[in-house]
Amino acid sequence: EAGVAQSPRYKIIEKRQSVAFWCNPISGHATLYWYQQILGQGPKLLIQFQNNGVVDDSQLPKDRFSAERLKGVDSTLKIQPAKLEDSAVYLCASSKGSDYGYTFGSGTRLTVV
Amino acid sequence: DQQVKQNSPSLSVQEGRISILNCDYTNSMFDYFLWYKKYPAEGPTFLISISSIKDKNEDGRFTVFLNKSAKHLSLHIVPSQPGDSAVYFCAASLWGGATNKLIFGTGTLLAVQP
Repeated sequence: EAGVAQSPRYKIIEKRQSVAFWCNPISGHATLYWYQQILGQGPKLLIQFQNNGVVDDSQLPKDRFSAERLKGVDSTLKIQPAKLEDSAVYLCASSKGSDYGYTFGSGTRLTVV
Repeated sequence: DQQVKQNSPSLSVQEGRISILNCDYTNSMFDYFLWYKKYPAEGPTFLISISSIKDKNEDGRFTVFLNKSAKHLSLHIVPSQPGDSAVYFCAASLWGGATNKLIFGTGTLLAVQP
């Protein structure tokens, strides 16, 4: 079974620029998550999709972050405009929905300078 | 508000000995707990979990203990191997319903010395 695919692996941008991350979950996994992991902290949920609907986006900074999963498969997460404090690893994960363990991708490391 | 805490940022043990990683939580409503292992430049990998109705779950060299009255759980690795060197995250969840958000601790870096 192929894992969760994410791209790019690394991205460096200047503050106030925009950036987008892509995630392709494991085939058949209805639930998709985006987590943000700041250095020295644990991952924090940004948004959870069930198929193409948003289940939880309570911790997503909606003034600058947006995410979509239009066809209920792959997903994009966008930041516009980026701030220095957005420097983090952005992790995508998927699950069948009722599974207890997610499968995470390798993440995208974002550096905002 | 850090609901899941891992107070030891790092731990060093000798190969073959026991590694004990600790985790405390504050929300008594959490009903499921998980441990994830993370190598550099990789995403976290699910290791072992425990439901709040149990006090112990074992899988090979890995055992998780849950003390609900103390709001404490621990991961035991016996015997420890150099390949176990990684960051270990404790996570908790309010499972059921449409959302199954995980609340992660800050992680403990385990170094197993040959």
